[in-house]
Amino acid sequence: GDSVTQMEGPVTLSEEAFLTINCTYTATGYPSLFWYVQYPGEGLQLLLKATKADDKGSNKGFEATYRKETTSFHLEKGSVQVSDSAVYFCALSDLGLSDAGGTSYGKLTFGQGTILTVHP
Amino acid sequence: ETGVTQTPRHLVMGMTNKKSLKCEQHLGHNAMYWYKQSAKKPLELMFVYSLEERVENNSVPSRFSPECPNSSHLFLHLHTLQPEDSALYLCASSQESLSGTYGYTFGSGTRLTVV
Repeated sequence: GDSVTQMEGPVTLSEEAFLTINCTYTATGYPSLFWYVQYPGEGLQLLLKATKADDKGSNKGFEATYRKETTSFHLEKGSVQVSDSAVYFCALSDLGLSDAGGTSYGKLTFGQGTILTVHP
Repeated sequence: ETGVTQTPRHLVMGMTNKKSLKCEQHLGHNAMYWYKQSAKKPLELMFVYSLEERVENNSVPSRFSPECPNSSHLFLHLHTLQPEDSALYLCASSQESLSGTYGYTFGSGTRLTVV
């Protein structure tokens, strides 16, 4: 089945440091890839996504490139801020099929999450 | 209200209680999901409803019972839970079509503590 593996956390950085959070995946088809962020006390918010090989998703200074040859989707940011402190989840979506009439749905498979703490 | 709303935000219940979690989406989506988020474990997909029909149940114990009365509302009925069921329960919705998944949106979750 599909799976997502993220680097172990927690990650602790000083403000303005460079961030990389590694993510690799296993999937049978051609999945879409996502990074979600969860701030304290809140649900998950979509940070960025990429739907095909070599696509680069970007948002709020974060970037990730869909690398099919290495089955990776590493998250990077050149200069982190204290406000970036959160839990980051890598995820993939591969269409599934229901039992009822062939309606498809996009099940998300998540990694275990990486806690990021940024100090001033 | 916009987005996906979950109530209550926090819930403490005894092992013999019966309670329900509620999720409401105002996005016009046709699929809704329950996820469980436990400490140090990946998010676990519990149930999926597509067009108000349950299409997936990932070996979830029967003490969790979902209900989807219409495309905007999703409930998770809880009874005789165990302390290990304490977790953050997240609801999500999306718009599904044969061409793909659009607008996957999460609620803020219900923090459940079983005592």
